[in-house]
Amino acid sequence: GAGVSQSPSNKVTEKGKDVELRCDPISGHTALYWYRQRLGQGLEFLIYFQGNSAPDKSGLPSDRFSAERTGESVSTLTIQRTQQEDSAVYLCASSFSGKETQYFGPGTRLLVL
Amino acid sequence: AQTVTQSQPEMSVQEAETVTLSCTYDTSESDYYLFWYKQPPSRQMILVIRQEAYKQQNATENRFSVNFQKAAKSFSLKISDSQLGDAAMYFCAYSSRGSRLTFGEGTQLTVNP
Repeated sequence: GAGVSQSPSNKVTEKGKDVELRCDPISGHTALYWYRQRLGQGLEFLIYFQGNSAPDKSGLPSDRFSAERTGESVSTLTIQRTQQEDSAVYLCASSFSGKETQYFGPGTRLLVL
Repeated sequence: AQTVTQSQPEMSVQEAETVTLSCTYDTSESDYYLFWYKQPPSRQMILVIRQEAYKQQNATENRFSVNFQKAAKSFSLKISDSQLGDAAMYFCAYSSRGSRLTFGEGTQLTVNP
């Protein structure tokens, strides 16, 4: 596909369980970003990958959050021991070089019961 | 730290009329980008328009244009000939070169037929 894709589209989990969210960036885009959007709010930055550089993890809210990226392809955001406050839409974006416009995926809506 | 403020939580406009959405930002940098993104109920973030800070000319994209006032740190979006499909949440966002986006809280735009 031509755009950023994310899976699953929706995820319902129980408090305390771990979840994995996946992002497939646009082919050829070296930069990948994760954001969180709580209900009725703007987006909060979580983490940024650029090529083979060390990721910018400064937005991760706690050590329960981690992310990986394989080369310049797929990224996985993992939330361990989920809490109800983690309920949000998690959006992924990619850009050609990290200095260009970011294009967003459709997001994963996470609900922690 | 950079901040982005959208002071209008909600706006409404009649179909075919013009509406302006406000955005102010705070930064100590001189080289940066500003964006307006649109988020319909599908939650897909769609780029509306982008402005490079070093360009004095205001960006335009068909019915969408911006009024960029660098000294005042103001970046408003004007939508002309409003259409029902323009109804969405609009986010103003800031990015210094090669970094994450900082978003405002959003403005919910309603278009009345």
